[in-house]
Amino acid sequence: AQKITQTQPGMFVQEKEAVTLDCTYDTSDQSYGLFWYKQPSSGEMIFLIYQGSYDEQNATEGRYSLNFQKARKSANLVISASQLGDSAMYFCAMREVDSGGGADGLTFGKGTHLIIQP
Amino acid sequence: DSGVTQTPKHLITATGQRVTLRCSPRSGDLSVYWYQQSLDQGLQFLIQYYNGEERAKGNILERFSAQQFPDLHSELNLSSLELGDSALYFCASSVVVSGSLAGELFFGEGSRLTVL
Repeated sequence: AQKITQTQPGMFVQEKEAVTLDCTYDTSDQSYGLFWYKQPSSGEMIFLIYQGSYDEQNATEGRYSLNFQKARKSANLVISASQLGDSAMYFCAMREVDSGGGADGLTFGKGTHLIIQP
Repeated sequence: DSGVTQTPKHLITATGQRVTLRCSPRSGDLSVYWYQQSLDQGLQFLIQYYNGEERAKGNILERFSAQQFPDLHSELNLSSLELGDSALYFCASSVVVSGSLAGELFFGEGSRLTVL
């Protein structure tokens, strides 16, 4: 089973509109971390935002916020007032605690290709 | 600039050949991860090293191997290359604190491998 599911392969959004990128995850752990990354056409992976499973507040970083609904196992990324430069691939990822009690690497979803139109 | 350096940026080789990709993590990061990104498979975790020791293994083929050296740089060796190995290979590093889930991965710019 997929651990991270991003159901929107692609999205077109008008500039200045808000965007919600969907992400659902699958884990039996109580403690986990959720991440969003942006990958522009140049290829680099840029960290956007982090949400811990025990964080009571939804994470925010500038125009990015994470709509965390633990019971639904969803961690949607919201971009307010979209800009042309937001056009990119967006990846949701999760970190779980490994069997040794340490933190493991990230498991990524397949991504959403966001295109902002003028 | 993430502080993670990968070389080479581009590599073109033939089937059956062997290549080595190199990664220097951010200063102070003990953990190095290797990921493969292809169009059909997305970002696949290959392997993780922590302070010179293998920590976790993902979908890494037996033809592939990696190591992390005492100076913390890492190399990913790909052998008996096939057309399907053509992909963007990312190295990432992080400060792994035992039991902590926070701490993002910092990615290098990737090494684009083309197998002809």
